[in-house]
Amino acid sequence: GAGVSQSPSNKVTEKGKDVELRCDPISGHTALYWYRQSLGQGLEFLIYFQGNSAPDKSGLPSDRFSAERTGGSVSTLTIQRTQQEDSAVYLCASSSAGETQYFGPGTRLLVL
Amino acid sequence: SQQGEEDPQALSIQEGENATMNCSYKTSINNLQWYRQNSGRGLVHLILIRSNEREKHSGRLRVTLDTSKKSSSLLITASRAADTASYFCATDIGFQKLVFGTGTRLLVSP
Repeated sequence: GAGVSQSPSNKVTEKGKDVELRCDPISGHTALYWYRQSLGQGLEFLIYFQGNSAPDKSGLPSDRFSAERTGGSVSTLTIQRTQQEDSAVYLCASSSAGETQYFGPGTRLLVL
Repeated sequence: SQQGEEDPQALSIQEGENATMNCSYKTSINNLQWYRQNSGRGLVHLILIRSNEREKHSGRLRVTLDTSKKSSSLLITASRAADTASYFCATDIGFQKLVFGTGTRLLVSP
């Protein structure tokens, strides 16, 4: 079956612009996660959605970052007024009731 | 700060040799997982070991967990060039939230 997909694969933007990153989780997975990975670093947790519960936003680095999950499926991560330090690979993962998270290929964001 | 710290940061070996990577963490966990990442893109789940388990095998992979030392190791036996990747440990600290370590970059030369 289809895995987690993310779009775009790559995004180049200018400082100060807003960007939207999209994640399509595996069908039927109730949990969805966003992570950020800066160059050569580990993954930094950003936000977690579980079913209809309120999302865990504890990892969002600033109020410029927000995320939505519509209809319990597709999620959009929005970064407003992008800064150069936002440049990173943004990874989405989904899981069912178990512990294993299945990752998408990521979106590589470059802020000039 | 990162929960897990992998050691070594980088490892270079020849095909056929074994590769051992270590992970240390700070807080109590439900389970610990190992993931592989190729070329800085998506991660692939390798193996999960629960807090009440001490050792687990999957193919050429062997994982150990010592909760008293808050550490885990990943052993890849008879390595292949295709094993070249970054390897991350991730701790499940509850609420299905994984905290990732800093990773080990493994290079397997033919």
